[in-house]
Amino acid sequence: DIVMTQSPDSLPVSLGERATINCKSSQSVLASSLNKNLLAWYQQKPGQPPKLLIYWASTRESGVPDRFSGSGSGTDFTLTISSLQAEDVAVYYCQQHYTTPFTFGQGTKLEI
Amino acid sequence: EVQLVESGGGLVQPGGSLRLSCVASGFTFSNYWMHWARQVPGKGLVWVARVRGDGSSTTYADSVKGRFTISRDNAKNTVYLQMNSLRGEDTAVYYCVRDFNWSLGNWGQGTLVTVSS
Repeated sequence: DIVMTQSPDSLPVSLGERATINCKSSQSVLASSLNKNLLAWYQQKPGQPPKLLIYWASTRESGVPDRFSGSGSGTDFTLTISSLQAEDVAVYYCQQHYTTPFTFGQGTKLEI
Repeated sequence: EVQLVESGGGLVQPGGSLRLSCVASGFTFSNYWMHWARQVPGKGLVWVARVRGDGSSTTYADSVKGRFTISRDNAKNTVYLQMNSLRGEDTAVYYCVRDFNWSLGNWGQGTLVTVSS
């Protein structure tokens, strides 16, 4: 199984500041046939289901604010929130969709 | 608008069975892989199973293989998760999810399954 490891586990950030969450996979999730990294990021607020933010490592889902961006390739990925808003307080997960079993990182709790 | 509505959760004794259902709307159901994922309250996300759009292929997490069965009825826009031989560690919120561009694109609100005597 591909192990996904996020850092940090929790991240205190002030409003308006930049937040960076890292995700490392135990093997590459680059699908050479597609030339895409099959890595997604999700946001989960308390009492709600997860919401897709980023897919293919860097493609923002429709309707997601442009302060959210994803980067990286192969085994190392980053989710960046450029200017933290109060509504961004949530747990963020990375997930590989390269091979089954699809696996998630342990989550990063973003706190004000 | 994509909507996924799960039902069928509840309290069941260890060793018992339960069938979850998820009714989908807002998209051409048969064109998409569908998944089930679960989450113990307060813990992380775990992928459980998937089924191809035409129902011809299924894949499972090792933790549920041989006990859970995912299936779909495209005429009813519904995906199912039949759960047998339930264990305490199966207690979780179960989410129905639509695959989208090699990601878990749309999630239902979830249904809680509690396995306890």
